[in-house]
Amino acid sequence: GQNIDQPTEMTATEGAIVQINCTYQTSGFNGLFWYQQHAGEAPTFLSYNVLDGLEEKGRFSSFLSRSKGYSYLLLKELQMKDSASYLCAVRDGDYKLSFGAGTTVTVRA
Amino acid sequence: IAGITQAPTSQILAAGRRMTLRCTQDMRHNAMYWYRQDLGLGLRLIHYSNTAGTTGKGEVPDGYSVSRANTDDFPLTLASAVPSQTSVYFCASSDQAGTGATDTQYFGPGTRLTVL
Repeated sequence: GQNIDQPTEMTATEGAIVQINCTYQTSGFNGLFWYQQHAGEAPTFLSYNVLDGLEEKGRFSSFLSRSKGYSYLLLKELQMKDSASYLCAVRDGDYKLSFGAGTTVTVRA
Repeated sequence: IAGITQAPTSQILAAGRRMTLRCTQDMRHNAMYWYRQDLGLGLRLIHYSNTAGTTGKGEVPDGYSVSRANTDDFPLTLASAVPSQTSVYFCASSDQAGTGATDTQYFGPGTRLTVL
């Protein structure tokens, strides 16, 4: 099984940078995903890492260290619309996703 | 419009009643999944199907059943609902069952179910 930990809540100011950490213990690893979920809506795909290093997509970046069982999602130039929950998910050797409980990010003006 | 649809959007159900949540995708994805999402627990996998005609159990399958008669539809049935099944249910699909580089899962809009 999987054990995935991420902080429950984070607050940041508009225009700032926030880093959401995710640590995992896995019985098999086949990729790590980040999803964004606005209140009352479905999760939407943000990023995917399978090799160590940084993946950059506009204002969002995701980093993975497989040896440390660690990932982070970096949100730059925060906007009010970035207020949402961010879900870390690990794909195991059977290609099933296990999700962390999510980090609620609140962006303040 | 391509994507995943779920029905109903929300439902209030008496305990002991039978309920089927519907999920349809038009992306011709091989794999489909059912999750429940509860506050503080995140998304938990109930059942999955890697291809039409096959199904498997996820992390929390008890009290639920699924079928996959064709590629597009993946209904979830609660045979006799209990209050602990009050949750938000999300259906998802992905292009292949783990053979692709990303195999991203795409989620439907969800069904909010309350069992009284």
